[in-house]
Amino acid sequence: EDKVVQSPLSLVVHEGDTVTLNCSYEVTNFRSLLWYKQEKKAPTFLFMLTSSGIEKKSGRLSSILDKKELFSILNITATQTGDSAVYLCAVENNNDMRFGAGTRLTVKP
Amino acid sequence: GAGVSQSPSNKVTEKGKDVELRCDPISGHTALYWYRQSLGQGLEFLIYFQGNSAPDKSGLPSDRFSAERTGGSVSTLTIQRTQQEDSAVYLCASSTQGAWAEKLFFGSGTQLSVL
Repeated sequence: EDKVVQSPLSLVVHEGDTVTLNCSYEVTNFRSLLWYKQEKKAPTFLFMLTSSGIEKKSGRLSSILDKKELFSILNITATQTGDSAVYLCAVENNNDMRFGAGTRLTVKP
Repeated sequence: GAGVSQSPSNKVTEKGKDVELRCDPISGHTALYWYRQSLGQGLEFLIYFQGNSAPDKSGLPSDRFSAERTGGSVSTLTIQRTQQEDSAVYLCASSTQGAWAEKLFFGSGTQLSVL
């Protein structure tokens, strides 16, 4: 059965810390892996990853995919309180897009 | 509109009543998705519309759930004879091409509470 597992489920850090969020997956006919940031109710797109080993970067956020070991990480450096959110990982195959349960990140001042 | 619009933002209903949730996708987006998110859970796929093709209903949890998309734009998700386990946030998303190919633009969702 296809599945997407995120860890940790929740994380509390202080401003300025660096965090690494994990997403592992088992899907058939993998096409892409996506990261979303969910504040309140609406997820917003962060990254789409299709190739192994190529880091995608946006400001303090970066992500990389390992298609051999079937996982991705999302890094956030110099965290700010505005980074507090649920971070969702989604994996797409030919027929479906399956989401993980998310990692709830809380950044304290 | 500028983004995906959902209404109502909150809905409280009594067990056994029917509810309708509305989604207005981004203009020009041919693909429309409905998801459900229960507390502490990931997004659960419900149904997917792509253009004029027959919708992919494979995620609907029971026959109490149905959805339609009129004129290739606005969509309505209907839940009949609501149960307490239907309580969740119902999220709608749209994209330009569909087929799960790309990033989705999400609405703010409808928080459904069944008492």
